[in-house]
Amino acid sequence: DAKTTQPNSMESNEEEPVHLPCNHSTISGTDYIHWYRQLPSQGPEYVIHGLTSNVNNRMASLAIAEDRKSSTLILHRATLRDAAVYYCIRASGTYKYIFGTGTRLKVLA
Amino acid sequence: SQTIHQWPATLVQPVGSPLSLECTVEGTSNPNLYWYRQAAGRGLQLLFYSVGIGQISSEVPQNLSASRPQDRQFILSSKKLLLSDSGFYLCAWSTDTGGGGAFFGQGTRLTVV
Repeated sequence: DAKTTQPNSMESNEEEPVHLPCNHSTISGTDYIHWYRQLPSQGPEYVIHGLTSNVNNRMASLAIAEDRKSSTLILHRATLRDAAVYYCIRASGTYKYIFGTGTRLKVLA
Repeated sequence: SQTIHQWPATLVQPVGSPLSLECTVEGTSNPNLYWYRQAAGRGLQLLFYSVGIGQISSEVPQNLSASRPQDRQFILSSKKLLLSDSGFYLCAWSTDTGGGGAFFGQGTRLTVV
C-alpha cells in the first residue's frame, strides 16, 4: 500500500515549469515526504524530501501543503533529460520506502 | 562519499537454478538496506529490508530470501528460480528512519528462461 496518489502521466513543454502533484491524505505527523525519479533501465534517483516546510535544492523544489495532506514537486525549467517516472513516497519510522506507480513525465521539445 | 555496488548487471538463468545477487555499500556504517523488484512496465515492489546484521524483514511471501552477513553487505537468494522471478532487482540503502532519503544501485536485470 503506497498510501500516496499521483496522476499516471503528465506532459510539459521544454523550458517551462512543471508541477507534479501528490496526495497523501493519511500521512502521520512523523512521515517524511520523499520524491524520486527513474529513467528507463536505471535505479530510482533521489530528488528531494521534506517534513513540513518547503524545500529547495539544485534539482527541484518541494511545496508541502499546510495540512501536509498533499505536496507538489516543482521543476523550474523542464528539460528533455527530466523525462522520467516521478515517485512520491511517504517515508515512515519503520524504515520502509513504499513506491506507488508514479507519474510518467513527458517533456515536449 | 557513499557508494553502492550491485552485480551482476544482467543475468539469464534457467528455471530451477539457484540465484545469488550481492549488494555492498561503501562510505557509511550501519545503513538500512533494501531489495526491490520491478516487473516490466511496473512500479517498484519492496521485497526485503534490513536495519542491522542478521535482521531481515520480508514484505511479501515469495520464492526469495535475503541475508545480511556483514554490516554493508546484502544478499538476495533463491534455491530454485521460477519464471515469475524475472525482473529488475534493485538494492538500496538509507541512513535513518526517513529523513535522509534512499539511494539505489544500478540494478540487476534477471531473466529466467
